[in-house]
Amino acid sequence: DGGITQSPKYLFRKEGQNVTLSCEQNLNHDAMYWYRQDPGQGLRLIYYSQIVNDFQKGDIAEGYSVSREKKESFPLTVTSAQKNPTAFYLCASSIGPGYEQYFGPGTRLTVT
Amino acid sequence: QKEVEQNSGPLSVPEGAIASLNCTYSDRGSQSFFWYRQYSGKSPELIMFIYSNGDKEDGRFTAQLNKASQYVSLLIRDSQPSDSATYLCAGDNFNKFYFGSGTKLNVKP
Repeated sequence: DGGITQSPKYLFRKEGQNVTLSCEQNLNHDAMYWYRQDPGQGLRLIYYSQIVNDFQKGDIAEGYSVSREKKESFPLTVTSAQKNPTAFYLCASSIGPGYEQYFGPGTRLTVT
Repeated sequence: QKEVEQNSGPLSVPEGAIASLNCTYSDRGSQSFFWYRQYSGKSPELIMFIYSNGDKEDGRFTAQLNKASQYVSLLIRDSQPSDSATYLCAGDNFNKFYFGSGTKLNVKP
């Protein structure tokens, strides 16, 4: 059963702590993406990776970091430098640039 | 100027009617366009994509693209209450995939 998984579904952290969000896909897609969605807003691109061991900053990369050591995995770390980390985080993957993206179920992060 | 503009709505239509969702884009280099449906609290799911000028039909859904006018639309025929959701328009110019803020659709029984 192919798809994208994100864990956990809900995550609670104290301010000042780093937290890592998991994203795994078994679709054999080369490209993977991380988006952030705030209430009533569209999706904003944090980071993307078009190939293993390479990734690029999106529009709002400050306070976030990623790695792409395996084709299947693209974890996102929300660092303490991110000023407003509470949001809905969505991971997506696609065959490559220009092709449709498929989304995981998302992780809702709350930082207090 | 946002790269993709959508009316936030809500757009209200009665059950069985045609819902028309519209989107304009600013980047003439954009090649591909996508429509996603997002239910409240859930992640977006792909409905349709369109690359060429004209219409593309899939069941009750029709996507329309007019590159000269930089306009993309989604028509939903025989709208059902289960179609009530936020619809996101997205474009891609091979360098970047960008989303509109979405239009909320309410289908009233």
